[in-house]
Amino acid sequence: DQQVKQNSPSLSVQEGRISILNCDYTNSMFDYFLWYKKYPAEGPTFLISISSIKDKNEDGRFTVFLNKSAKHLSLHIVPSQPGDSAVYFCAASPPDTGNQFYFGTGTSLTVIP
Amino acid sequence: NAGVTQTPKFRILKIGQSMTLQCTQDMNHNYMYWYRQDPGMGLKLIYYSVGAGITDKGEVPNGYNVSRSTTEDFPLRLELAAPSQTSVYFCASSYRGIEQYFGPGTRLTVT
Repeated sequence: DQQVKQNSPSLSVQEGRISILNCDYTNSMFDYFLWYKKYPAEGPTFLISISSIKDKNEDGRFTVFLNKSAKHLSLHIVPSQPGDSAVYFCAASPPDTGNQFYFGTGTSLTVIP
Repeated sequence: NAGVTQTPKFRILKIGQSMTLQCTQDMNHNYMYWYRQDPGMGLKLIYYSVGAGITDKGEVPNGYNVSRSTTEDFPLRLELAAPSQTSVYFCASSYRGIEQYFGPGTRLTVT
């Protein structure tokens, strides 16, 4: 049973435009959410996180939005750059589980120059 | 500062063989994790550790064992390899148990 879902396997965006990657979850007890970026043949790299007490967190070109009522989070990348082309994973953790994170299946982003 | 290193990068095992995947981190992180990623899927947690001498099962622990005798090392042992264990294995570490730093992965094929 997939507790964290990324329903779009792929996304293409023009360079300079906004990229929006979406993630849905089923467990309302999740209290921490993260986004990772992964290039081929490499391990994932941490991008940005948000706790359930916030609805927005920004770090440079990356902003994560959390909508707890909809059990939905999104990652906005503005402006998109060709180097952003990678697979993006969202991950979520319930409280009191020793920091176990559940990962989505990933969205492959292609930024077209 | 090498971060998280994993060996080997690739391995082919025959059914029933055993092997140990090595993971070492030099960041003095207390938290360490092992994940597997099957094609088209997200990462699934196999085992994790919150400090030396402490390990716990994740979502998919069957067929695997771990030990954590030092802060730096967190080896993953596969006993009696099966084709279902064909996957890419990632080790990760974390300072506070939230953002994780991943190694480059080990691609394992069991035939």
